[in-house]
Amino acid sequence: KQEVTQIPAALSVPEGENLVLNCSFTDSAIYNLQWFRQDPGKGLTSLLLIQSSQREQTSGRLNASLDKSSGRSTLYIAASQPGDSATYLCAVLKIASGSRLTFGEGTQLTVNP
Amino acid sequence: DADVTQTPRNRITKTGKRIMLECSQTKGHDRMYWYRQDPGLGLRLIYYSFDVKDINKGEISDGYSVSRQAQAKFSLSLESAIPNQTALYFCATSDLGLQGASEAFFGQGTRLTVV
Repeated sequence: KQEVTQIPAALSVPEGENLVLNCSFTDSAIYNLQWFRQDPGKGLTSLLLIQSSQREQTSGRLNASLDKSSGRSTLYIAASQPGDSATYLCAVLKIASGSRLTFGEGTQLTVNP
Repeated sequence: DADVTQTPRNRITKTGKRIMLECSQTKGHDRMYWYRQDPGLGLRLIYYSFDVKDINKGEISDGYSVSRQAQAKFSLSLESAIPNQTALYFCATSDLGLQGASEAFFGQGTRLTVV
């Protein structure tokens, strides 16, 4: 069974700091890994998608890496801003899952002005 | 307009009532999904559909049913709502990409409270 773990569960940083969010998964037979952002009571916004054959993806201040063999992904946020405050979720699409994304429980990020 | 639209956004209903949550998408994707989110449990898949004639159970389908009325529409029904179905419900879409599956897109969610 695929399990996805995100560490830390919560993180509070001062504005301007660079930070790393971690995601680990138990089954390396995946199609892709996707990072989402969720604001309180709102939907999920896709941030980055990494296919299983890729090592990283970048979008603006965000960089996501994937090490499939070790079952790990990181989301790097550069020069954090208060507007980055949200919950960040990672999800993996397992090859044998019937297209079901398996989600971690998220990291709640607070960026303090 | 949002690519994936859910209605209603908020709903309070009584135990035993039948309720339908609706989802429509403009992405042109074949695959649609219903998830629920609960504190401490994360997001869990209820049902999914790969095309209009295809319906599949997810990990927590008991107490729910779905209808894929068209490529762009996927509805979730609670036949007889119970309080432990109180949750945030999400509809999502994706397509079959070259490497198995493309990016998933989510709606804004429906907050359902069963009293």
